[in-house]
Amino acid sequence: RKEVEQDPGPFNVPEGATVAFNCTYSNSASQSFFWYRQDCRKEPKLLMSVYSSGNEDGRFTAQLNRASQYISLLIRDSKLSDSATYLCVVMQYNFNKFYFGSGTKLNVKP
Amino acid sequence: GAVVSQHPSRVICKSGTSVKIECRSLDFQATTMFWYRQFPKQSLMLMATSNEGSKATYEQGVEKDKFLINHASLTLSTLTVTSAHPEDSSFYICSARDHGTGSSYEQYFGPGTRLTVT
Repeated sequence: RKEVEQDPGPFNVPEGATVAFNCTYSNSASQSFFWYRQDCRKEPKLLMSVYSSGNEDGRFTAQLNRASQYISLLIRDSKLSDSATYLCVVMQYNFNKFYFGSGTKLNVKP
Repeated sequence: GAVVSQHPSRVICKSGTSVKIECRSLDFQATTMFWYRQFPKQSLMLMATSNEGSKATYEQGVEKDKFLINHASLTLSTLTVTSAHPEDSSFYICSARDHGTGSSYEQYFGPGTRLTVT
């Protein structure tokens, strides 16, 4: 079983739409969670960390559900520039390892 | 945010040759750097964890004699792909953790090196 699983998509949405991605992780000992954004043929860039209480950064909201072992990312008022692949990342401190999901592709269309 | 550079950004080499990729943290010290490989339409796969002043820790299935890692300073790690073969063609990305900030578990990625072995 993969450490981190994501729906690969693609999610095709119109500008202005609200879209949500989920990501599940298998190891309950996971302790840090992140969403990264990766544009085609580029390196991943940190979008936001995910805190236990949930956190919001502008149009982006991240939630963590430890009981069900999933994290979510909500994007409101989608922009064309939001088109990218969104990677869910889970970290386990004791192994000093980051585990990446395979990514969810988002296409925002005019 | 912290900046990580990689060099070269793109390299084409012949089968059987070796290629060295450098990863540098430009404005912070990184005791730990990570090397990833990404094949088309797949996610990043961790190859090894590079620790300054000690041997790298390789993931299962990654040949340490083929992918030589050296982390000689707090700002530089190198990955050498020895005796490269076409199946080694991939996007190699390094990342580093900035241990000097409160967000010490965030990783910052280099821009990647696209290796093509002919």
